[in-house]
Amino acid sequence: GAVVSQHPSWVICKSGTSVKIECRSLDFQATTMFWYRQFPKQSLMLMATSNEGSKATYEQGVEKDKFLINHASLTLSTLTVTSAHPEDSSFYICSAFGLAGGADTGELFFGEGSRLTVL
Amino acid sequence: GENVEQHPSTLSVQEGDSAVIKCTYSDSASNYFPWYKQELGKRPQLIIDIRSNVGEKKDQRIAVTLNKTAKHFSLHITETQPEDSAVYFCAAEVTFGTGTKLQVIP
Repeated sequence: GAVVSQHPSWVICKSGTSVKIECRSLDFQATTMFWYRQFPKQSLMLMATSNEGSKATYEQGVEKDKFLINHASLTLSTLTVTSAHPEDSSFYICSAFGLAGGADTGELFFGEGSRLTVL
Repeated sequence: GENVEQHPSTLSVQEGDSAVIKCTYSDSASNYFPWYKQELGKRPQLIIDIRSNVGEKKDQRIAVTLNKTAKHFSLHITETQPEDSAVYFCAAEVTFGTGTKLQVIP
């Protein structure tokens, strides 16, 4: 089946610094990836759609200058949280539609998630 | 954009009883409706999904129904077991519902 891998799984940083999270599709190509943020006891909130070779599409209310997304290849999308502050502390998860069992089932596969803590 | 509402937010059932979670969506163009189970701190796990060309799908104790006209879909879990206790999310395409915390009481 399709595998999406995310790195790092957790990161602690100081306020004002930037943090980069990587999302890779390991055994399939993903022209589109999705980035979510999840606060404790809440749902996954779609932040943006990452498009290979073009600009990301951000959801309403998400600051594109704060959450920089780069999708330079068919297997890698990165999310950079710039000038992070404590309120950016959250669980960030990426996903992509991929293959399962050799067939394109159109199922959404998720990375392991990255827990960001900003001190 | 798409908006997905999910009810109830919490649900407690006795072991062996059925559990039903309902969702509504706003975008009539949506065609893919997955349901996920998520454990604390982990990625969502797909448990069943349905596409707009069918009205019902079943996989052992789990079933999903879809009413495209009314723009709502439901998850049905029969013969619930304690290990079914988790947080469940519906989604329309890539937009998630608000989640339901299911507790199955032994």
